[in-house]
Amino acid sequence: AQTVTQSQPEMSVQEAETVTLSCTYDTSENNYYLFWYKQPPSRQMILVIRQEAYKQQNATENRFSVNFQKAAKSFSLKISDSQLGDTAMYFCAFMKHESTDKLIFGTGTRLQVFP
Amino acid sequence: SAVISQKPSRDICQRGTSLTIQCQVDSQVTMMFWYRQQPGQSLTLIATANQGSEATYESGFVIDKFPISRPNLTFSTLTVSNMSPEDSSIYLCSVRRAGGDIQYFGAGTRLSVL
Repeated sequence: AQTVTQSQPEMSVQEAETVTLSCTYDTSENNYYLFWYKQPPSRQMILVIRQEAYKQQNATENRFSVNFQKAAKSFSLKISDSQLGDTAMYFCAFMKHESTDKLIFGTGTRLQVFP
Repeated sequence: SAVISQKPSRDICQRGTSLTIQCQVDSQVTMMFWYRQQPGQSLTLIATANQGSEATYESGFVIDKFPISRPNLTFSTLTVSNMSPEDSSIYLCSVRRAGGDIQYFGAGTRLSVL
């Protein structure tokens, strides 16, 4: 069975600084997807970034980038130039490369951005 | 992307009653899911709503407690039956298109049971 671990329950960062959120996972699969979702206080889950396991290049979306280490089963999220609007819960998630499979979420990291 | 409308956005219910949550998507999707998020916790999958057939429930969730309907490819309902205070949670609808890997989420229903 697949598991996703987020070892940082809470993180804080000052506005304009950079922060990295950690995520590790366990799987015997070779093809899969990894995601970071953001859930602000409004509780709407928003996709931040996705990574396909067979792609070696790390995904990037504007200020958000990942460090994907397949051998180490690590998938960290780096937020550059942090903004107050980045304050939210961040969930790492895993999904096998099958159209009928389900998302498996980590326990989440609460990020607070301070002015 | 997909636009998901989930109703109600919140409700306060009495113990022993039932609440039906609706999820409407702006276009046809293959897979629809229902999640529960207890206060301060991560998301737990309740079931996958299957169009035209019975939902597929995860371990720990049963049809009598969480009956689900999915009459077509754009609509589903989740009922929380015979509620107790332990059912106080956020319930989220999520969808995924055929062949796609990205899941989209509704804004959730915040349920409080007194």
